[in-house]
Amino acid sequence: AQTVTQSQPEMSVQEAETVTLSCTYDTSESDYYLFWYKQPPSRQMILVIRQEAYKQQNATENRFSVNFQKAAKSFSLKISDSQLGDAAMYFCAGQRRWDNDMRFGAGTRLTVKP
Amino acid sequence: NAGVTQTPKFRILKIGQSMTLQCTQDMNHNYMYWYRQDPGMGLKLIYYSVGAGITDKGEVPNGYNVSRSTTEDFPLRLELAAPSQTSVYFCASSYPTGGYEQYFGPGTRLTVT
Repeated sequence: AQTVTQSQPEMSVQEAETVTLSCTYDTSESDYYLFWYKQPPSRQMILVIRQEAYKQQNATENRFSVNFQKAAKSFSLKISDSQLGDAAMYFCAGQRRWDNDMRFGAGTRLTVKP
Repeated sequence: NAGVTQTPKFRILKIGQSMTLQCTQDMNHNYMYWYRQDPGMGLKLIYYSVGAGITDKGEVPNGYNVSRSTTEDFPLRLELAAPSQTSVYFCASSYPTGGYEQYFGPGTRLTVT
């Protein structure tokens, strides 16, 4: 079994500030992948960042970075220098290495205040 | 490349009606997926396919059927629509599983009344 939990239904951040979105991924498997997807009002799902569980180094993509704590099952997304265009729903997702079933959390709605 | 396209964008069905949601990708991906997204929730996998002629159930397959006759197309069939099937449906495709990015279509908003 695998469970993805996002405990923050809503978050807000001031433009240019930093915000961290939380996620936990619970699975008995040791080899898996974690993702953060962004869903703006257009509904389009856009991959923000991806992390491989066996890599100790945390992934970064420009202003987006993750803090992956495997033992704690924690996979948080940090957005630096927040921009108005970052406002969206953010979904955390996990997928076991040999599985076709990607599981999503319930999402966090991020508001960016000008 | 158009990526993943879905038709229609919106649809209203009456209870008991049937319909097919179309999905096409032009990235030559072997793997394709159908998800549903209920209000305030994340996506849940309905069915997936690892190649033409091969499909399998996901987390929530009841009430749906799929087929995959070509690499490009992966239609989702709703038989005897029920209000519980009111949702937004997303099709996605990817390279073989193992953590590859899934590319999503724009979604179909379906209402069953």
